[in-house]
Parts: sequence; C-alpha cells; structure tokens
Amino acid sequence: DVKVTQSSRYLVKRTGEKVFLECVQDMDHENMFWYRQDPGLGLRLIYFSYDVKMKEKGDIPEGYSVSREKKERFSLILESASTNQTSMYLCASSLPQGSYNEQFFGPGTRLTVL
Amino acid sequence: GDSVTQMEGPVTLSEEAFLTINCTYTATGYPSLFWYVQYPGEGLQLLLKATKADDKGSNKGFEATYRKETTSFHLEKGSVQVSDSAVYFCASTSYGKLTFGQGTILTVHP
Repeated sequence: DVKVTQSSRYLVKRTGEKVFLECVQDMDHENMFWYRQDPGLGLRLIYFSYDVKMKEKGDIPEGYSVSREKKERFSLILESASTNQTSMYLCASSLPQGSYNEQFFGPGTRLTVL
Repeated sequence: GDSVTQMEGPVTLSEEAFLTINCTYTATGYPSLFWYVQYPGEGLQLLLKATKADDKGSNKGFEATYRKETTSFHLEKGSVQVSDSAVYFCASTSYGKLTFGQGTILTVHP
C-alpha cells in the first residue's frame, strides 16, 4: 500500500514563527504536492515538485516555500507564520506526469497560528 | 484556467436514500475526472475516476459518468449507508495537476 505520512496531525504556532511541515512517501513517487484545505474552498495547490530539487508554484504560493532534497521527502515552510495561514495542510504524491494518475494523500496537518 | 463546481452542501439523507452530488467542470483539453472522499479525521482517498468521455467510474456502490456534452461528472449511489458520511470532492486533472471542487459534506442518518 502507498503510504504518505505527515510529521504532525496538529500543530499550534505563534505569529511570526518559522514553521516546517514534513511529508514522506514510501512508494518512490516522482511527484509530490502540498495543498491547503479550507471550508467552502476545497483544496488549493500551494507548491508541487516533479523531481528532487525541483519545485513549481501552485495557485497560492505566497507566504510559503518548499524544499525537496530527497525523492521521498517534501517539506513546506512558512517563513513567518500569520493567522491567515491557519488551515488544514495536505500532502500528496503520484507517479510521473500523466493526466489519469491518482494522487495519494497523507492524513493532513491541522495548523493553528495564534 | 480549469475549474470544478460542486453542488452546495451539506447534504443530509436517511439510510437507504438515493444520493446525487452534482459536479461540472471547465477545462482546456481533455481532462480526467475524479471523485475523492474524505472520512472524518483522514486524508483524501480516491473513490472513482473516468479518463475519457462516456466512461463510467464505479466503486463501493458509487457511480459517475463522464459527460463531455454537459461537462459534468455527477456522483450517484442508489442506497446510502451511515458509513458513507464524509466529505466528497470532485476533481479534474490536466498535466498531472488536480483542480478540486469545494467539497460536499454528506451526513447519513440511521
């Protein structure tokens, strides 16, 4: 079974802190994604990566950065957390680019910024 | 850009009722279409998919047909169960990127 794990299920941080969200997948997938999920808005793509050390901006990259130093690990970084970044963050992975490739999701990290 | 629109929820049904959740999309090219489900406290998991016009995806009693003429991919189930209570997301994909609808919360009462 494909497994995508995220470092924390719940996280509470203060405004201005630097926050790291970690994601690891064990299926040797090339593609990895970070989304945020907000009620009424569905999932919105923050960043994605097609290969190690490669990254592409998604629809809402402002205030975020990412790092992919190893194929199995994709990190989301909030350089200076703000209250409007309180959200559920979901990581996903998939096989190489193809329009019908399923994305496999982690359980999510619920981040609260106070 | 691509977009996906789902019927607004929440949807509340009694057990064994018929379910329809509407989904329409706009996309360039020929996207593949998906329904994902998110059970309480979990991440998303693929429920079913269709990769070309007139394809029907099905799983766990759920069905959806890719209708190119109406740009729709409505989710249906003939008899829902309490265990189907979850959030359902319609999504389209082009070039490996998914575009999601806003999600529909389904609650099924005994």
